[in-house]
Amino acid sequence: EVQLLDSGGDFVQPGGSLRLSCAASGFTFGGYAMTWVRQAPGKGLEWVSSISGSADSTYYANSVKGRFTISRDNSRNTLFLQMNSLRAEDTAVYYCATGGLYGDFFTWGQGTLVTVSS
Amino acid sequence: QSALTQPASVSGSPGQSITISCTGTSSDVGSYNLVSWYQEHPGKAPKVVIYEVSKRPSGVSNRFSGSKSGNTASLTISGLQAEDEADYYCCSYAGTGTSFGGGTKLTVL
Repeated sequence: EVQLLDSGGDFVQPGGSLRLSCAASGFTFGGYAMTWVRQAPGKGLEWVSSISGSADSTYYANSVKGRFTISRDNSRNTLFLQMNSLRAEDTAVYYCATGGLYGDFFTWGQGTLVTVSS
Repeated sequence: QSALTQPASVSGSPGQSITISCTGTSSDVGSYNLVSWYQEHPGKAPKVVIYEVSKRPSGVSNRFSGSKSGNTASLTISGLQAEDEADYYCCSYAGTGTSFGGGTKLTVL
């Protein structure tokens, strides 16, 4: 069974950092692009970042460019999102999903909550 | 990376059909056959119901269908059922990134 398990969400002060992880199982992880999508409380979905299967290409939403870094470790079947210089508006549930820029997000993690507040 | 435009809400009675529109621009919806639709129930992760404009993933009811004309994509749900009540989001490739719509709340009366 294809599964994604998000983790790493926490309460952090503005300007702080956090690293999210997404453990994948049930499929050939390195053969798939992966994406992070977030959802602020009571709001809609927002694409955050995508990475190719081989990690040679990365893409970012303008709202996080220069602050967030997406990466992956195909030997450990794990996707990461390093978030620096966090702002209140980054508060959201963060989901990892299979698929890349084309929006073919077939499998989603359960989500992990990031709260940025003083 | 501008958000796509969806109606805030739609409603229908059981057995009826409803259509949710998703309007983008010539830089996203109008240029690529890469529109997908996601169903989200409260407290649950989103689930894809349509991809590449009109393709249905395995396991998704054939009551769900998608189409596109120009810069506007549409999701149609026929034979409405109570379980269809959820939020629906469109999504489109936009060249340098991916854009989601603001979401549409479907109420089954």
